Amino acid sequence: LAKTTQPISMDSYEGQEVNITCSHNNIATNDYITWYQQFPSQGPRFIIQGYKTKVTNEVASLFIPADRKSSTLSLPRVSLSDTAVYYCLVAPPEGSARQLTFGSGTQLTVLP
Amino acid sequence: NAGVTQTPKFRVLKTGQSMTLLCAQDMNHEYMYWYRQDPGMGLRLIHYSVGEGTTAKGEVPDGYNVSRLKKQNFLLGLESAAPSQTSVYFCASSRGGGGSYNEQFFGPGTRLTVL
Repeated sequence: LAKTTQPISMDSYEGQEVNITCSHNNIATNDYITWYQQFPSQGPRFIIQGYKTKVTNEVASLFIPADRKSSTLSLPRVSLSDTAVYYCLVAPPEGSARQLTFGSGTQLTVLP
Repeated sequence: NAGVTQTPKFRVLKTGQSMTLLCAQDMNHEYMYWYRQDPGMGLRLIHYSVGEGTTAKGEVPDGYNVSRLKKQNFLLGLESAAPSQTSVYFCASSRGGGGSYNEQFFGPGTRLTVL
């Protein structure tokens, strides 16, 4: 299993850009990098997924360096409602018997 | 579309009692999963299914059984509940098992307390 390491917690202020970095040194060649968001008392929600370089969608950007041993989730101009736990996961390719493994995640707290 | 629904939302059991948690999805997804989440922890995979009639063990399968008789439903059973099974249980589904198809859609969770 490709283990991921990410900070336990981060604080930010409203309107700031937040970058959460995750390391995944043992990522396999065909694995994807996936991020989920979880609010209290809710199930996780998919945010973004990427394989290499940069991926951007309406809520976040994902930066992946060439060696793919780390990735950075970037949340632009956070608001109080972005306070949540963010999970970095290494996702197996299609057809793999491996499944997603959730770590403890990063608790992001956005302050007013 | 309702997405992924779970029944019940809350349940309290006594040690040794049995119960079944029901998960239903209306997205025609092939893969379905059961996770448990203990306070302050990430999710741990209990069992999963790659299609109707199939099941497979996850990270923490002991004390649980599952069945996938219909594509849209995935049942999680506790035959003899123990206090260590007190947790929040999440069901999820995905179109495929990996790559670009592995986005998992989660239900709202079932909060189970075993006394």
